[in-house]
Amino acid sequence: NAGVTQTPKFRVLKTGQSMTLLCAQDMNHEYMYWYRQDPGMGLRLIHYSVGEGTTAKGEVPDGYNVSRLKKQNFLLGLESAAPSQTSVYFCASMDRPNTEAFFGQGTRLTVV
Amino acid sequence: GENVEQHPSTLSVQEGDSAVIKCTYSDSASNYFPWYKQELGKGPQLIIDIRSNVGEKKDQRIAVTLNKTAKHFSLHITETQPEDSAVYFCAAGKSGGSYIPTFGRGTSLIVHP
Repeated sequence: NAGVTQTPKFRVLKTGQSMTLLCAQDMNHEYMYWYRQDPGMGLRLIHYSVGEGTTAKGEVPDGYNVSRLKKQNFLLGLESAAPSQTSVYFCASMDRPNTEAFFGQGTRLTVV
Repeated sequence: GENVEQHPSTLSVQEGDSAVIKCTYSDSASNYFPWYKQELGKGPQLIIDIRSNVGEKKDQRIAVTLNKTAKHFSLHITETQPEDSAVYFCAAGKSGGSYIPTFGRGTSLIVHP
């Protein structure tokens, strides 16, 4: 059981570069989420999806875009990376409301 | 939207002591309250959850209590062990619409041997 897999695990970007973070889940879950974790700030929701082909903004969406073309994948894109986007990014998936959220191992992104 | 406050931000205990982490929520419609444990370098994992029709739930050394009237819920860990050292997150959510669980800011629990 792979669960939720995030790719890559680590990345260093230069300011202005772009990249895509991939989240893949093999549990056939409908709901998927992207969070960022910063010291003292907990988990802040960036974008989420309630099913294939749907996306919606979370608490801190600026500077990020997402796509959910396939049910098992949820992509997070940074079009022009900024130092403020240095963070640890977590993807999570959930089968249905009010059930366990399964998290990936995280992606540590540094923007210099 | 929902607002979840979590205290304390850091908790240091001696091995064998009990630890209590408290959370409050703002939306009276919230009806699901999970707790997650995040070990260093890993993603959060569910350790226990409680639903609004239950006041208390136990699983070995951990327990969660819920006071719907006061809108607060707590995690209790008894006989703490060094491997309990981690960051703990509470969350609150409700059924219906686009489901977005709201997390507290986390508590760093340190258990000293």
